[in-house]
Parts: sequence; structure tokens; C-alpha cells
Amino acid sequence: EIVMTQSPATLSVSPRQRVTLSCRASQSVANDLAWYQQKPGQVPRLLIYAASTRATGIPARFSGGGSGTLFTLTISSLQSEDFAIYYCQHYNSWPVTFGGGTKVEI
Amino acid sequence: QVHLVESGGGVVQPGRSLRLSCAASGFIFSDYGMHWVRQAPGKGLQWVAIVWYGGSHQFYADSVKGRFTISRDNSKNMLYLEMNSLRVEDTAVYYCARGHGGNSVFDYWGQGALVTVSS
Repeated sequence: EIVMTQSPATLSVSPRQRVTLSCRASQSVANDLAWYQQKPGQVPRLLIYAASTRATGIPARFSGGGSGTLFTLTISSLQSEDFAIYYCQHYNSWPVTFGGGTKVEI
Repeated sequence: QVHLVESGGGVVQPGRSLRLSCAASGFIFSDYGMHWVRQAPGKGLQWVAIVWYGGSHQFYADSVKGRFTISRDNSKNMLYLEMNSLRVEDTAVYYCARGHGGNSVFDYWGQGALVTVSS
């Protein structure tokens, strides 16, 4: 199975700061990569799919990039509601797998 | 408006069985692959199983293969997960999720059902 590794595990940032999260795949997943946001006690929310396509209703401050084995999620200006855990997930082959998550905290 | 509502969670002893259900509404259920994804307490996300549109094809994570069965009833807009030979490590919140655009991208999630396996 493809192993997804996210870094860093925790990111301490300030509001309005630009943030970049990383996700690495153990082998190429082309651009079959999604990002999710999960706030405490809430259900995961799809942010990005196909590496760089924003899901419906996702603000433009979220952007995804990369292909193959290295991917990024960038939040251009962090808002208070963006403090959460972010997961990457590949869907290139079975089984689909998630990264361990990056917690974005104040 | 898409809604997914899980039911059937609870506390069960190791080795016993439990069946989860997920009621879907707000979309044409038979047009989408449907998944179960789980999250152990304080841990990350783990995909569990998929059932494709007509229900005749399924795929499972290795950790549940041979113990869990995913199924669907398109006439009732229902998704199921039959869990047998439960283990302590199966303890998690189980989410049903819709597959986006024929891919295994999860665009809508239910609120989850907590399954606790404990003696």
C-alpha cells in the first residue's frame, strides 16, 4: 500500500500568516490527491481534490499543488476558523490511504 | 441537500458482531460509490470499504477483509456495514461517505457512529 507522510505534525502559526503543509507519497499517485480539514468534534470536510481543484464552497485562500509524490496545501492568509487538522489522501490505487495529519494551531 | 445519517453503533464484546446503517438523501444514491471510513479515538482517518453503484462489487482494507461486509440497498437509499469477529482495535467512529465523481474522494460525510469493542 502507498504510505502518505505529512509534515510537520504540528504547525504553530498566527492569524493572517501564510501557511504551507506538505504531503509525500511513498510512490507516485499522479495527481490523485485530496486534502481534508477536520475541526475538533466535527466531520472531515473536503477541501481539494485532483491535487489542485477546490471543492464546492471552499474559499480561494486554500490552494493545492504538486504531483507525483510531493504535494502541498497552502492557506494564503490564515483565518481563525482555519485552525484544525489537515489530512491528505491518495486515491490512485487500492487501498486509498490517508496521511497522519498536520495540526495547525495558534 | 445531501444528508448521510449513520445508526447502529454501540458497545460490543470482542468476537461479537454489529451492523451499521447509513441513510442517504438529497442525491441519486445509485449514481455514487459509497464508502465507510473510520477514525479511532484521537487518531487519524482510515478507509474501510467501498461498494460500487449496483452493489455487486466491493473492496476492503486488509485489516477488515474477511470480517466486514459492505452492502447497499438502492431501493431504500441505504448503505450497510456488517462487522463480524470484532476486535478491540476496531474501536472507532465509523463514517459513511459518498464518493465524488466516480473517484474515491469523499465529498460528503455522515456524522459518524461510534463503535466500542471492549470486554
